[in-house]
Amino acid sequence: QVQLQQSGPGLVKPSQTLSLTCAISGDSVSSNSATWNWIRQSPSRGLEWLGRTYYRSKWYNDYAVSLKSRITVNPDTSENQFSLQLNSVTPEDTAVYYCARGSYWRFDLWGRGTLITVSS
Amino acid sequence: QSALTQPPSASGSPGQSVTISCTGTSSDVGGYNYVSWYQQYPGKAPKLMIYEVSKRPSGVPDRFSGSKSGNTASLTVSGLQAEDEADYYCSSYINTNNLVFGGGTTLTVL
Repeated sequence: QVQLQQSGPGLVKPSQTLSLTCAISGDSVSSNSATWNWIRQSPSRGLEWLGRTYYRSKWYNDYAVSLKSRITVNPDTSENQFSLQLNSVTPEDTAVYYCARGSYWRFDLWGRGTLITVSS
Repeated sequence: QSALTQPPSASGSPGQSVTISCTGTSSDVGGYNYVSWYQQYPGKAPKLMIYEVSKRPSGVPDRFSGSKSGNTASLTVSGLQAEDEADYYCSSYINTNNLVFGGGTTLTVL
């Protein structure tokens, strides 16, 4: 059974970096058919796709246009997981963050979500 | 890019059918067949219900169906059941390798 297990701090100070990890069991971050995504949800912004990493003979990344200057999504093949880093956070980045497995721009498996609060 | 437009709410009685719309542009919904629909219960992660406009993942009841006309996609729930009461979100691929979600529709079973 494929599962995604998220981990990371729930509180981040303004201007600092938000870091989350998503551990994969039952599938591989190096899969040639899956993509590995981060999505967030807040009352003010709704659901928002943030970015993804995927392997097709080499590693690729795509990021939401609005976040491109602040976001990094990286695979970790040794631990079979992937991570999210979001720099220079503000209270607007407060949201529930999900990791999700994707294929052709659909997300068929989601993590349970992590509430991240940006506050001093 | 702007979020796709969904009605904030929809409702129907048990056994009835309800359709939820999702309106975008020719750069997203109208330009590609990568429209998906998700069901979300409070405090839970979204669940994929429809992908590529009208395909159902294994395990999703055939009461759920999807379609598209021009820049508007639709999710129809037939034979409404109490368990269908949830929030529903559409999403679409948008050019330049990005994705956009709709604002969500709360479905109430009366």
